Amino acid sequence: SQQGEEDPQALSIQEGENATMNCSYKTSINNLQWYRQNSGRGLVHLILIRSNEREKHSGRLRVTLDTSKKSSSLLITASRAADTASYFCATDDSGNTPLVFGKGTRLSVIA
Amino acid sequence: DAGITQSPRHKVTETGTPVTLRCHQTENHRYMYWYRQDPGHGLRLIHYSYGVKDTDKGEVSDGYSVSRSKTEDFLLTLESATSSQTSVYFCAIKGGGGEAFFGQGTRLTVV
Repeated sequence: SQQGEEDPQALSIQEGENATMNCSYKTSINNLQWYRQNSGRGLVHLILIRSNEREKHSGRLRVTLDTSKKSSSLLITASRAADTASYFCATDDSGNTPLVFGKGTRLSVIA
Repeated sequence: DAGITQSPRHKVTETGTPVTLRCHQTENHRYMYWYRQDPGHGLRLIHYSYGVKDTDKGEVSDGYSVSRSKTEDFLLTLESATSSQTSVYFCAIKGGGGEAFFGQGTRLTVV
């Protein structure tokens, strides 16, 4: 069964606005990751946050992790039309176990 | 695409026929995975491998088998294809930092 659940399922914003997506998970984790998928393509790794970290930045991406609430958020600042894609969170409980993915958030950025 | 190649990229097959999908990596990574992606379900793990001849079942393994006789190749076989196995199949490897790298996917249609 899915470990992570993203919220919202779909999000539509104007270019230049910030986009926030949330992920909740059920069991203890080793790390939590976010991936992007453009239509018809494979998933691309965006950012990884370890269970002992609370916040991480990469360019226009900001990820937070709250292990007490078993939740994470992905913030994309100053969104662009090229950010239009589906975004997935994924977790594992050790480096040796497979990643378990959520169902994703579909982001549309309107120019 | 981190040196991952899936073949074929598209396939149409008839119900009841066996089908083999191939994943080839040039990265020499130990861990390889097969996922399927369906609308409303996100990515679900079919089988995974943690080394040559070492494989294990995932969440949706019924009707599928895998083989890994070489580090670089991970084969997924649908023993007798059914319409419910119409899907997009993704192969992935896990890097040393825990992040996954995906192939471009195989779109399989069972008619």
